[in-house]
Amino acid sequence: NAGVTQTPKFQVLKTGQSMTLQCAQDMNHNSMYWYRQDPGMGLRLIYYSASEGTTDKGEVPNGYNVSRLNKREFSLRLESAAPSQTSVYFCASSGEIAGSSYNEQFFGPGTRLTVL
Amino acid sequence: RKEVEQDPGPFNVPEGATVAFNCTYSNSASQSFFWYRQDCRKEPKLLMSVYSSGNEDGRFTAQLNRASQYISLLIRDSKLSDSATYLCVVNIRGDMRFGAGTRLTVKP
Repeated sequence: NAGVTQTPKFQVLKTGQSMTLQCAQDMNHNSMYWYRQDPGMGLRLIYYSASEGTTDKGEVPNGYNVSRLNKREFSLRLESAAPSQTSVYFCASSGEIAGSSYNEQFFGPGTRLTVL
Repeated sequence: RKEVEQDPGPFNVPEGATVAFNCTYSNSASQSFFWYRQDCRKEPKLLMSVYSSGNEDGRFTAQLNRASQYISLLIRDSKLSDSATYLCVVNIRGDMRFGAGTRLTVKP
């Protein structure tokens, strides 16, 4: 099993350009997440999807859109990139154990994005 | 005030040392607690969950104090391979909140 995969690994954009970050998981998880990680800030949730066909905003959704294409795939789109979106982006997925709040999140390897 | 606060470190310790990390959280509705490990330029990975009674996994011991809203991680007999950033994570009604991490370097 590959776990959680992300593409691309690195990307450089100019201000105003658009791009889509791809994420896929092969663990049959219902929930998927997009985070950004900035120095000194910890991971912050951008959007999440509790199940196929549903998406919800996280802590920092502005400037992003998401699409839960099917159970495996969850993409993140930047419509008009800004330098403030320079960050490392992680996708994660989790399976739910009924009645438990101890659900492990599995992360992809990350995408390092620089916006000039 | 950040919801999850950690001492950023870095902690530089010799092999074999015992080192402790602390984490405080501000939301009393927090339901579950974790320590994740993140190696340089890699993704976070679950190290251990933290249960109310405290729990141990080999050289690692995690403690939770709900009254003080405080979580700790103790690493005994540090190994070079323990060098990483340790993230404190709190689940608030299904929403995972990450601390900024504490960096540990174990030296020979």
